[in-house]
Amino acid sequence: AIQLTQSPSSLSASVGDRVTITCRASQGISSGLAWYQQKPGKAPYLLIYEASSLESGVPSRFSGSGSETDFTLTISSLQPEDFATYYCQQFNGYPRTFGQGTKVEV
Amino acid sequence: EVQLVESGGGLLQPGGSLRLSCAASGFTVSRYAMSWVRQAPGKGLEWVSTFSGSGAYYADSVKGRFTISRDNFKNTLYLQMNRLRAEDTALYYCAKDQSYCGGDCYSAGYFQDWGQGTLVTVSS
Repeated sequence: AIQLTQSPSSLSASVGDRVTITCRASQGISSGLAWYQQKPGKAPYLLIYEASSLESGVPSRFSGSGSETDFTLTISSLQPEDFATYYCQQFNGYPRTFGQGTKVEV
Repeated sequence: EVQLVESGGGLLQPGGSLRLSCAASGFTVSRYAMSWVRQAPGKGLEWVSTFSGSGAYYADSVKGRFTISRDNFKNTLYLQMNRLRAEDTALYYCAKDQSYCGGDCYSAGYFQDWGQGTLVTVSS
C-alpha cells in the first residue's frame, strides 16, 4: 500500500499567517491526491482534489500543489475558522490511504 | 442538497456482527461510487471499503470480514461487519465518491460528501 507522510504533525500559527503542510507519498501517484479539513466532532470536508483543484465553495486562500511524491497544502492567510486538522489522501489505485493528519493550532 | 445519514452503530462484544446503513438523499446512489471511512477515537482517517461500478474494494484489515452493498430502491449503502475485533472500534463515516459514469459509475478516488458517522464500539 502507498504510505503518505504528512509534516509537520502539528503546528502553531496566528490569524493572518501563511501556513504550509506537506504530504509525501512512498511512491509516485501522479496527481492523485486530495486534501480534507476536519474540525473536532465534525466529518471531514473536501478542500482540494487532483492535487491542485479547488473544490467548489472552498475559499481561495486554500491551494494545493505538487505531483508524484511531494505535495503541499497552503493557506495563504489563516482565518479563525481554519484551525483544524488537515489530512491528505491518495487515490492512485486501491487501497486508498490517508496521511496521519496535521493539526493547526493557535 | 446531498445528505448522508448513517445508522446501526452500537456496543458489541468481539466476534459479533453488525450492519451499518447509510441513507442517501439529494442524489441517486446508483449513479455514484460510495465508500466507508472510519476513525478510531482520537486517531486519523482510515479507508475501509468502496462500492464502485468496477466492483467492491476493501482494506486488508477488513477483507473477508466486512461486505459492502447497496440497495438502489432504498437509495441506501450498507456495511455488513462480521467477526468484529476491538480494533474495529471507530466512528464509521459513509462518503459519496466523486464519480464518472459510462454504463456503470466508477470512483474518481476522492470523497466529495460525508455523513456525520455512526459509532461502533467492540469491547468485552
